[in-house]
Amino acid sequence: DIVMTQSPLSLPVTPGEPASISCRSSQSLLHRNGNNFLDWLLQKPGQSPQLLIYLGSNRASGVPDRFSGSGSGTNFTLRISRVEAEDVGVYYCVQALQTPRTFGQGTKVEI
Amino acid sequence: EQLVESGGGLVKPGESLRLSCTVSGFTFSRAWMSWVRQAPGKGLEWVGRLKSRGAGGTTDYAAPLKGRFIISRDDSKDTLFLQMNSLKTEDTAVYFCVHLIYSGAYGVGEPQFASWGQGTLVTVSS
Repeated sequence: DIVMTQSPLSLPVTPGEPASISCRSSQSLLHRNGNNFLDWLLQKPGQSPQLLIYLGSNRASGVPDRFSGSGSGTNFTLRISRVEAEDVGVYYCVQALQTPRTFGQGTKVEI
Repeated sequence: EQLVESGGGLVKPGESLRLSCTVSGFTFSRAWMSWVRQAPGKGLEWVGRLKSRGAGGTTDYAAPLKGRFIISRDDSKDTLFLQMNSLKTEDTAVYFCVHLIYSGAYGVGEPQFASWGQGTLVTVSS
């Protein structure tokens, strides 16, 4: 199974400031077709998770452009250019290369 | 899209429970579906995935759950099921029904967790 490791696990943020979360996989998520099979999810307090970024760097529908994903192979980063209050919650990376699907431990972002 | 889970509740260790997920807003018969669970205060754990009938209708499960959990579907009722047998206390969790969608090339890698239900709580306790 592919092991996903996130850091940090807790991230205090200040509104208006940037923030970033790291995700590493135990094996490369770069497919021969050039896509990185890594997605990011956000679970806001009391809500179900929602898709934020897919295939490494593509924002899901309705996701503000302050969110960006980057990286390749085994190292990935989620960045928020300017944190807003509504961005609090737990962020998960998840590999989309193969089953079993595996998630990072989650990063709790708090103001 | 809307996904509504039901069937959760309190059961004793060793008992069985069947969860349902009724969907609307998309063509369920063509959909790949998944169950994901979240133990209280913990992270997300993949339970398994069921392909559409057109893609073979096959299932895939997390190894520790294979043999105890069964995912099935009734396309005539736009409903996904999760049959859970021989339940253990560690199966206590909120169970989410998820619609999977390929955002990239179809059939390459695994699809994205596109839409989630609100979840249903299963508590296994004596």
